[in-house]
Amino acid sequence: EAQVTQNPRYLITVTGKKLTVTCSQNMNHEYMSWYRQDPGLGLRQIYYSMNVEVTDKGDVPEGYKVSRKEKRNFPLILESPSPNQTSLYFCASSFTGTYNEQFFGPGTRLTVL
Amino acid sequence: AQKITQTQPGMFVQEKEAVTLDCTYDTSDQSYGLFWYKQPSSGEMIFLIYQGSYDEQNATEGRYSLNFQKARKSANLVISASQLGDSAMYFCAMREGTFKRGAQKLVFGQGTRLTINP
Repeated sequence: EAQVTQNPRYLITVTGKKLTVTCSQNMNHEYMSWYRQDPGLGLRQIYYSMNVEVTDKGDVPEGYKVSRKEKRNFPLILESPSPNQTSLYFCASSFTGTYNEQFFGPGTRLTVL
Repeated sequence: AQKITQTQPGMFVQEKEAVTLDCTYDTSDQSYGLFWYKQPSSGEMIFLIYQGSYDEQNATEGRYSLNFQKARKSANLVISASQLGDSAMYFCAMREGTFKRGAQKLVFGQGTRLTINP
């Protein structure tokens, strides 16, 4: 089944404790992206990757890191999480190109205390 | 400047009625894609329908259709014969075509919360 998977789905952590949210897709997509969703702000892009070893900042990259060592995986790293990073996070992937839909993972609900 | 505007924060509709969710967009690109996603209370993002800027006909997918008016820069979602399961948040999004930095991202509107009443 074609899908984007994220883990964990739910996470409660404390300020400053490094964490990684994994994202994997099995559709051979070149493009992968991370979004965060906050009430009243909609979905905003954090980082994206056009292909292996090619990553770039989105609209809200502060406090996040990513890597793209393999085509299928695009982990999101929070080196020192803070309460303002409490949010719902989505990983998405697609083929590059304007007319290609992005497939979303199920979301990761993160709470930073 | 807001690139995607959804002016209806919430809508209430009787079951079996048709409903139109509004979306206007702003871009200077000639090539772009418009997408609608549904987000039920469980949180996942479900792709519904898309319209390419060069498509001459309005997109349709089952009960969903997209009323695309390019000159007015609007891309309204029409759901025919609404069902209780249509109750969800609906997002309009745009993907621009130029390969400038960040152009491949989806830009989302604020969403419309649709409630279907029995």
